[in-house]
Amino acid sequence: SYELTQPPSVSVSPGQTARITCSGDALPKKSAYWYQQKSGQAPVLVIYEDNKRPSGIPERVSGSRSGTMATLTISGAQVEDEGDYYCYSIDSSGDYRGIFGGGTRLTVL
Amino acid sequence: QVHLVESGGGLVKPGGSLRLSCAASGFAFRDYFMTWIRQAPGKGLEWVSFISYSSSTISYADSVKGRFSISRDNTKKSLYLQMNRLRADDTAVYYCARVPGFCNGGRCYPSYMDVWGKGTTVTVAS
Repeated sequence: SYELTQPPSVSVSPGQTARITCSGDALPKKSAYWYQQKSGQAPVLVIYEDNKRPSGIPERVSGSRSGTMATLTISGAQVEDEGDYYCYSIDSSGDYRGIFGGGTRLTVL
Repeated sequence: QVHLVESGGGLVKPGGSLRLSCAASGFAFRDYFMTWIRQAPGKGLEWVSFISYSSSTISYADSVKGRFSISRDNTKKSLYLQMNRLRADDTAVYYCARVPGFCNGGRCYPSYMDVWGKGTTVTVAS
C-alpha cells in the first residue's frame, strides 16, 4: 500500500493564494481528489479527477497533478475557505482501497 | 435530492458488536459502489470498506479486516456495516458515502466519494 503526504497546516491572509500539496508514489498513475471539511461537518468534495470542480464549488478553487504531487490551489482565499483539506486517491495494487492524506488545516486570517 | 443518513451508532464495550445502517434516497442506489469512512476524534479521515453494485466485490482496510463486514440491500436502498470485536481505537464518527464506479474493459472499480452522509458516532469504552 502507499501513502499520501500533506503539510499539517497552511496559513494565508485573505485575498492571497493558498496552495496545499499532496505527494504520493502512485500519483503519476492515479487521479487525486480533494475534500474540504469544516468543524463538526461531513467532508465535501471540492476537486475530482485532479482538476474538475463539482457544481457549487467556486472558480477560485482549482487542482492540478504532476508527477508524484497533486496541488489544491485557492486563489484569493476567503475566511469561509478555512477548514481541513484532505487529498484522496485509490490504491489498486491489490484490492481496491481508498487512501487519504493526513489532512491540512487551512487558516485564512 | 441525494441523501445519505447513517444510524446505529452508540456506546459499546470493548469486544462488543454494533451494526450501522445507511439509508439512501434521491438516486439510483444500485448504480453506485458504496463505502464507509471513519474519523477518530481529532484525527483525519480513514477509509474502511468498499462494496460494489451487486456486492460481488468487497474490500476492507487492514485495520478492520476480519472484524467488520460490509453489505447492502439494493431493494431497500440501504448500506450496512457489521462491526464485531470492537476495540477502543474503533471509536470514531462513521460516514457512509456514494462512490461512482470507473468502468474499463467490462469491469468496474470504485473511485471517489461524491456524496457523504452526516455520520453516526461509535464509542467503544468500558
